[in-house]
Amino acid sequence: EIVLTQSPATLSLSPGERATLSCRASQSVNRYLVWYQQKPGQAPRLLISDVSNRAAGIPARFSGSGSGTDFTLTISALDPEDVAIYYCQQRGNWPLTFGGGTKVEIK
Amino acid sequence: EVRLVDSGGGLVKPGRSLTLSCTASGFSFADYAMSWIRQAPGKGLEWVGVIRGRGYGGTTEYLESLRDRFTISRDDSKNIVYLQMNSLKTEDTAVYFCTRVWNYYMDVWGKGTTVTVS
Repeated sequence: EIVLTQSPATLSLSPGERATLSCRASQSVNRYLVWYQQKPGQAPRLLISDVSNRAAGIPARFSGSGSGTDFTLTISALDPEDVAIYYCQQRGNWPLTFGGGTKVEIK
Repeated sequence: EVRLVDSGGGLVKPGRSLTLSCTASGFSFADYAMSWIRQAPGKGLEWVGVIRGRGYGGTTEYLESLRDRFTISRDDSKNIVYLQMNSLKTEDTAVYFCTRVWNYYMDVWGKGTTVTVS
């Protein structure tokens, strides 16, 4: 099973600041890495597929990068509506696995 | 509009069974794989299993630790996917999300249905 480790556990930033979230895989997942956003009290929603492909309706301030075992989700200028937990998921191997999540807060 | 409506959750005693349903609309249901994801209270997301679409024979994959107790099935005539859960344990307490799957990532999510085993 591929283990995904997300860091930091919590990120507290001011509006307009840049947020950098990390997801590290225990073995290579090539580019089969996906990001989801879960706002409080809501179901998760797809944010980015295969490292860097934004889903429909996702603002351009969200971007992804990486390959192999190290991946990054960047929010270029944090908006208060971005308060959420962000999860990464690998789709390269069974079982599909998720990271533990990074909680993004506004200072 | 693409929509998934999860249902069937509730309070159930340990050892009992429960079947969740997910009704899909707004897309060609039979052509898509469908998955269940669960989230224990205050915890992260855990993949439960997937059932492939008709092009791949409706075959299934499961989280190994759940394979003996959980079964995913589908009725393409009704646009419904099911999750049958047997021998429920307290640790199965979670919100269960039905999802549409594209290339083994979850592109559409239901709102979730809560299962409490107590």
